[in-house]
Amino acid sequence: EVQLEQSGAGVRKPGESLKISCQFSGDSLTKFWIAWVRQMPGKGLEYMGVIYPDDSDTRYGPSFQGQVTISADKSIRVAYLQWSSLKASDTAIYYCAKSSKVGINWGFDSWGQGTLVTVSS
Amino acid sequence: QAVLTQPASLSASPGASGSLTCTLRSDINVDAHRIYWYQQKPGSPPHYLLRYRSDSDKELGSGVPSRFSGSKNSSANVGILVISALQSEDEGDYYCMIWHSSAWVFGGGTKLTVL
Repeated sequence: EVQLEQSGAGVRKPGESLKISCQFSGDSLTKFWIAWVRQMPGKGLEYMGVIYPDDSDTRYGPSFQGQVTISADKSIRVAYLQWSSLKASDTAIYYCAKSSKVGINWGFDSWGQGTLVTVSS
Repeated sequence: QAVLTQPASLSASPGASGSLTCTLRSDINVDAHRIYWYQQKPGSPPHYLLRYRSDSDKELGSGVPSRFSGSKNSSANVGILVISALQSEDEGDYYCMIWHSSAWVFGGGTKLTVL
């Protein structure tokens, strides 16, 4: 069974950096796309971007290009989401999710448990 | 105008059927898209329910009861999630999603109340 295990909650001050992770297990998981999705408090789901761990091909959602960096290390089966300078508005739960098939336009069939990021002075 | 529009809330009675709609912006053809549906309960991540493009191109998520099904109303440009025999455990937020202009787009979500 596919499992996506995310890193624990993070608390940072505005301007600080942060890198959260998504460990994926299961056969051939480097051959699927891993997405990051934001959910701000009390709000809906927002697509941030995807990465293909096998070759690190990365695409960003229009609202997140230049705001975050998505990366992966296929040797240890981990995808990352990082910020270089956090803002209070980055406070949210961040989910990773796996594509259901090999192809960027196949939706997500497995989700991580979410990582709460709190940015407060 | 948003790419995907969902009603903010829907109430239905136990045992009844509920139809949750996902209206695509008028310039986006519903028949050309696979529509994904997710259920989210408080404090939990989204859960994959199903994918629907047509009756010959659909998938029910692993472990999802057959009470959940997808359909479309092409004339209204709407994707539909149908939940039959509603149960209290079906309460939660429901999101639709499509691939559009090289990015995933979510609807704003519908809060389903079963009472």
